Amino acid sequence: GQNIDQPTEMTATEGAIVQINCTYQTSGFNGLFWYQQHAGEAPTFLSYNVLDGLEEKGRFSSFLSRSKGYSYLLLKELQMKDSASYLCAVRDNTDKLIFGTGTRLQVFP
Amino acid sequence: DTEVTQTPKHLVMGMTNKKSLKCEQHMGHRAMYWYKQKAKKPPELMFVYSYEKLSINESVPSRFSPECPNSSLLNLHLHALQPEDSALYLCASSRNSIGNTEAFFGQGTRLTVV
Repeated sequence: GQNIDQPTEMTATEGAIVQINCTYQTSGFNGLFWYQQHAGEAPTFLSYNVLDGLEEKGRFSSFLSRSKGYSYLLLKELQMKDSASYLCAVRDNTDKLIFGTGTRLQVFP
Repeated sequence: DTEVTQTPKHLVMGMTNKKSLKCEQHMGHRAMYWYKQKAKKPPELMFVYSYEKLSINESVPSRFSPECPNSSLLNLHLHALQPEDSALYLCASSRNSIGNTEAFFGQGTRLTVV
């Protein structure tokens, strides 16, 4: 089967750094995506990794280790508006983009 | 234009009704998707269309019937739904269905079956 696991909930303080982990076991691997979803809204694309290593995009960075089936999303200088669900998604070796269990992040002042 | 437009935004239907959800994109994307999302859960893949052909059906009950009339449009026909089918239905599109092609999502249709 396909498994993409994330912690269910995380909390952090404004201005801090938080790391959201994602582990996956899928039928093939053609890239890993991170999406942000605010309550009641559509998911929006944050980052993409297909090779091992770190991709940096402003306050957001994403890391991938294909041998470990592991990724994380790093959010720096947290802001209140970063309170949202963060979804890890894997494109497998068919046409599927499969989402992980999602992590609800709450940022406190 | 990086928008995926879904209509209607909200839909309430009875268990004997027939209704359709519509999705449109003008980005030239050749892969389109339907996802179902229940509250506080991640999106679950239902169908994938690649170059207007159905390539994936994730064992979705036949009361959900997808249709791709052309490369810009994707419909989801609903018939004889159950209350447990109430959810947010998300449409997405991507340039194609492989590799480095992020999916763009519409705002969704919030469906309530009564």
